Amino acid sequence: GAVVSQHPSWVICKSGTSVKIECRSLDFQATTMFWYRQFPKQSLMLMATSNEGSKATYEQGVEKDKFLINHASLTLSTLTVTSAHPEDSSFYICSARLIGADTQYFGPGTRLTVL
Amino acid sequence: GENVEQHPSTLSVQEGDSAVIKCTYSDSASNYFPWYKQELGKGPQLIIDIRSNVGEKKDQRIAVTLNKTAKHFSLHITETQPEDSAVYFCAASRGYQKVTFGTGTKLQVIP
Repeated sequence: GAVVSQHPSWVICKSGTSVKIECRSLDFQATTMFWYRQFPKQSLMLMATSNEGSKATYEQGVEKDKFLINHASLTLSTLTVTSAHPEDSSFYICSARLIGADTQYFGPGTRLTVL
Repeated sequence: GENVEQHPSTLSVQEGDSAVIKCTYSDSASNYFPWYKQELGKGPQLIIDIRSNVGEKKDQRIAVTLNKTAKHFSLHITETQPEDSAVYFCAASRGYQKVTFGTGTKLQVIP
């Protein structure tokens, strides 16, 4: 149980294009999902907290107009990287928290490469 | 905000030996402490967690201890196996607030 999926697992795009990453909780409902970014050999950096039916809360320094987050249902959150540039290349990971619980379960991650 | 420090950054052990990773946290109100294992190119996997009302928790070869007074918690892996090689992250949070991660420990188990 508590499986989180991400799609795609990897994506290569040209500079200036937008990329959408999906995060789904497969066997549970999650009112809250989180989006992280991870650089090589570094820890996870929280980008934003996504709550179903409301606007996401972004961490300081994260551009909300560049990283658009939508949490339309209790099992799906999406992250759209708009006008991607090479510096946006990274490993993006989502996590989902069970309703009424403090445990987070992570997805497998999405490797984004911007050329 | 919460600050979590983790040591060591790298750890090499012989297969069959024990491995210990230590973390300290700064917010005395933190009450949830998960540990995650991350293999290369994959997302973190929850391996064990402990809450502040418990001092120790064990799951087969993995155990976690918590010292609330000293604000530190540790992960113990016994009888290590090559498949235990990965990066391990500790974390801390208060209630339903965001989780703060440690800097990670790269564990290498030498066959």
